[in-house]
Amino acid sequence: DGGITQSPKYLFRKEGQNVTLSCEQNLNHDAMYWYRQDPGQGLRLIYYSQIVNDFQKGDIAEGYSVSREKKESFPLTVTSAQKNPTAFYLCASTSRGGYTFGSGTRLTVV
Amino acid sequence: QKEVEQNSGPLSVPEGAIASLNCTYSDRVSQSFFWYRQYSGKSPELIMSIYSNGDKEDGRFTAQLNKASQYVSLLIRDSQPSDSATYLCAPPRAGGTSYGKLTFGQGTILTVHP
Repeated sequence: DGGITQSPKYLFRKEGQNVTLSCEQNLNHDAMYWYRQDPGQGLRLIYYSQIVNDFQKGDIAEGYSVSREKKESFPLTVTSAQKNPTAFYLCASTSRGGYTFGSGTRLTVV
Repeated sequence: QKEVEQNSGPLSVPEGAIASLNCTYSDRVSQSFFWYRQYSGKSPELIMSIYSNGDKEDGRFTAQLNKASQYVSLLIRDSQPSDSATYLCAPPRAGGTSYGKLTFGQGTILTVHP
């Protein structure tokens, strides 16, 4: 079955450490998105990509970086510049219809 | 940029009542509209899509679309405690392969109490 796979499901980051969240889709979708969700809050857009080798900043891109070297993959790196990274991170993709979400990665700073 | 705004929450209704959730959007060329449900700690799941003006019914859920007023709503009839979740109005789509910066509404937290 087609879908989006996010890994890991849980991730712990030490202070000053960079971590990378994986997002892979086999839906042949063109556009991919990264959202951050804090407890009780909505989805905030971090980065998005509409085509391979191209991506744009969303509303809260500071402290994050992405790459889109393959259509299927859109990894997100949370850098040490992101001072409050503890949150639930969701990857989504879309083509002509609605949005498909991964199961999310819960990142915690320890 | 396609933006949506949801009516303020949280919303609390008794079991068996009708829950009404509303959303307005800023893009006049949008053609496709989606409602998602998100249980606590889980990822959002698609529950309704609507493309034409008027009502679309699916079980206890009814989506209503008014393109002239740039308004889409979701009604949940005979609300059940299992409907308690956050409901997200997704950025509408203009058709074809248009993407761009897609910003979700802030979500409405629905609680159905017995």
